[in-house]
Amino acid sequence: QSALTQPPSASGSAGQSVTISCTGTSSDVGNSRYVSWYQQHPGKAPKVIIFEVTERPSGVPDRFSGSKSGSTASLTVSGLQPEDEAHYYCCSYAGRNNWIFGGGTKLTVL
Amino acid sequence: EVQLVESGGKLVRPGGSLRLSCAASGFAFRNAWMSWVRQPPGKGLERVGRIKSKLDGETADYAAPVEGRFTISRDDSTRTLYLEMNDLRIEDTAVYFCTTDPDSNSSGAFDSWGQGAMVTVSS
Repeated sequence: QSALTQPPSASGSAGQSVTISCTGTSSDVGNSRYVSWYQQHPGKAPKVIIFEVTERPSGVPDRFSGSKSGSTASLTVSGLQPEDEAHYYCCSYAGRNNWIFGGGTKLTVL
Repeated sequence: EVQLVESGGKLVRPGGSLRLSCAASGFAFRNAWMSWVRQPPGKGLERVGRIKSKLDGETADYAAPVEGRFTISRDDSTRTLYLEMNDLRIEDTAVYFCTTDPDSNSSGAFDSWGQGAMVTVSS
């Protein structure tokens, strides 16, 4: 199963908003409520910041929001902060015990 | 607080074997399905495999690239997850993370992660 498609990089100035896309197919993103997003700082483990497409775990700032349209999920980071600079990965259930990740997007805060 | 601590990562020759361990605490390990996820240097994430709880049969399934070479097991008495890796290849070089499996999490996400163990396969 192929990885979900994410842009390799994204950027925005502090205080601005940026949206990262995650494109799959009707077999995964398009047919699953289980789409999640992970933030990973260099040398650290990934941390879940969005689950079930739009839900935020406790402790994650409401600047992070998720959405989905068809087979494309999106992560929006509003009011960019310097600490938001990291890699972001999407993940989706793909049926038959399969979970697939996106290739990752490096977010730079200018 | 959930804690997952991996150990056992090292440099191995191609064709060699290695066993990683993951010590779990802070949650009901015996009821949890657990996964291993790996990340090659500078690349993305890939779930290697997962094991169900004993109550659910303690069966494991694997990603195609490691099927037949890797084995996941668990010891609920010591709250430890294992990843046995045989016939290691250069492309298995990665940081290996122990995680809780989304199929047994209410969130449907990889909720908790260890810090990772680096496995380098090189001659």
